[in-house]
Amino acid sequence: RKEVEQDPGPFNVPEGATVAFNCTYSNSASQSFFWYRQDCRKEPKLLMSVYSSGNEDGRFTAQLNRASQYISLLIRDSKLSDSATYLCVVTKRDDKIIFGKGTRLHILP
Amino acid sequence: DVKVTQSSRYLVKRTGEKVFLECVQDMDHENMFWYRQDPGLGLRLIYFSYDVKMKEKGDIPEGYSVSREKKERFSLILESASTNQTSMYLCATTWTGDDYGYTFGSGTRLTVV
Repeated sequence: RKEVEQDPGPFNVPEGATVAFNCTYSNSASQSFFWYRQDCRKEPKLLMSVYSSGNEDGRFTAQLNRASQYISLLIRDSKLSDSATYLCVVTKRDDKIIFGKGTRLHILP
Repeated sequence: DVKVTQSSRYLVKRTGEKVFLECVQDMDHENMFWYRQDPGLGLRLIYFSYDVKMKEKGDIPEGYSVSREKKERFSLILESASTNQTSMYLCATTWTGDDYGYTFGSGTRLTVV
């Protein structure tokens, strides 16, 4: 089983819709969790950290489920500018950082 | 804002050339990393460093070496470039024990012909 797995997509979603991605991780000792956003031909940029209590930033909500070993990202009222690849990132106690391969999102007008 | 600067945005080199990719950060981060990113393979760690003159192999170090003579600078060296090293190279930095994630440079798209 891969350390971090994401559905590669693409997810084609109409503007204004709600979209959710999941990311599963295999190591129960994983420590920190993040979602990154990467635009085409650009570097990944931190979107948000993911906490056990869940966290929200505007239209974006991130959740962590340690029992089932997955994290999720929910985007409400999606905008055309949300089109990007979303990378799930997990760090372990030895500071090793594992990237998922990303989920591509296309918001359709 | 942390700034991570990679010296070249696009680079074209010939097979067999020695290639230097430079990364400089301005926020006194201890940890620096070099990744390559390829379609379908995601980000793969080449080398990393937690301190000056310290280096550790990542998952795919073959064909690469690194140098960290100063805290702010981490160089990736392709000793003898090959066509399978054509890729996007990304430098990233963070503090030790940082729960705020990485900051990436804007990347160098290297083509080896």
